[in-house]
Amino acid sequence: DAMVIQNPRYQVTQFGKPVTLSCSQTLNHNVMYWYQQKSSQAPKLLFHYYDKDFNNEADTPDNFQSRRPNTSFCFLDIRSPGLGDAAMYLCATSRGRAQETQYFGPGTRLLVL
Amino acid sequence: GQSLEQPSEVTAVEGAIVQINCTYQTSGFYGLSWYQQHDGGAPTFLSYNALDGLEETGRFSSFLSRSDSYGYLLLQELQMKDSASYFCAVGSSTGFQKLVFGTGTRLLVSP
Repeated sequence: DAMVIQNPRYQVTQFGKPVTLSCSQTLNHNVMYWYQQKSSQAPKLLFHYYDKDFNNEADTPDNFQSRRPNTSFCFLDIRSPGLGDAAMYLCATSRGRAQETQYFGPGTRLLVL
Repeated sequence: GQSLEQPSEVTAVEGAIVQINCTYQTSGFYGLSWYQQHDGGAPTFLSYNALDGLEETGRFSSFLSRSDSYGYLLLQELQMKDSASYFCAVGSSTGFQKLVFGTGTRLLVSP
């Protein structure tokens, strides 16, 4: 089945140790999004790619970076994780620029020790 | 800016009907979406309203009034599996039509 896949599902890292989360999709969608979601809060958009065009949210810390080497894959790099970065990280896709349905992956829960 | 308000929690019993309201403030309104999220799971799309009125999909219906900047999600014949968080979301044209999510409503369905 076509889907959005995130690996790993759980990631433990140490304070200040770089970590990379990955997302892949078989939907061939143009847009890929990264959200951060903390407990009992709404998903917060960090950035998104439309094809290769990167769009950063104004309030996304510089500590968060992203790469999209091809249509199918997108990575979230956290350069120096802090305790406040512990959260669920959700990847989502959509076909294009219209407000269309977003398809979410299962998420990666990040724990920072 | 954009903001969406929802009740934080709603409780109901199996078989009942519940309505989750959403009021929003946004520029360049393009529609109101609803997503369901079970604990530990990913959000899944439920419905989308671009025009005023009611959209029905099985047990779930969604309503929009653009003049009132208001919408709601109606869940009928509640089942235990409907216990989840429900988010409304709007898209707006700020260079790119992305979703901004509401604060979320936690629905608890009891036997």
